[in-house]
Amino acid sequence: EVQLLESGGNLVQPGGSLRLSCTASGFTFSDYAMAWVRQAPGKGLEWISAISGSGINTFYAGSVHGRVTTSRDNSNNVLYLQLRGLRGEDTAVYFCARKIAYPVGAYYFDSWGQGTLVSVSS
Amino acid sequence: EIVLTQTPATLSLSPGERATLSCRASQNVANSLAWYQHKYGQAPRLLIYDSSIRATGIPTRFSGSGSGTDYTLTISSLEPEDFAVYYCQHRRNWPLTFGGGTKVEI
Repeated sequence: EVQLLESGGNLVQPGGSLRLSCTASGFTFSDYAMAWVRQAPGKGLEWISAISGSGINTFYAGSVHGRVTTSRDNSNNVLYLQLRGLRGEDTAVYFCARKIAYPVGAYYFDSWGQGTLVSVSS
Repeated sequence: EIVLTQTPATLSLSPGERATLSCRASQNVANSLAWYQHKYGQAPRLLIYDSSIRATGIPTRFSGSGSGTDYTLTISSLEPEDFAVYYCQHRRNWPLTFGGGTKVEI
């Protein structure tokens, strides 16, 4: 069974940093691209980053570009999201998601974690 | 950036009725569009991808159609568990974007 478990969410002050983790199990992690998607309170889903299976290629939304870094540890089946310069508008539940296997270039997401809450407030 | 506009924002229906949800893209996404179901406190669920292909395990009452800039998710006969928020998402180019969602409520 595919499982994705996010962790690392916390209350952080504006301007602060945080690293989120997503531990994967039930599939060959390195075979799949992964992504982070967030949902602010009362808002819809917002894609923020994606990373290829090898970790070589990364993609970011404009709203977070330069403030976040996505990386992965394929030896330990963990996906990371480093958040910097946090703002109030970054307050959200952050989900990790697995890209579907086929079509190869199709960034749709067939498995998701339950999310971890990041709150940015002084 | 491709903007996806979903209508209506809220759809009030009863079990057994047909639901028709719309997603309009600001430019041609060439069938590179997916639909997700999201219930509060749960993980989103992929329903449809590439406009009309049902994901693994998705019931046949869910169907997708469309082309160019206009796409539709149809739920042929609503079951109690189908009341949720539905999002479209394109993968035509970067950045990926989601629509604002349609809430299907009783």
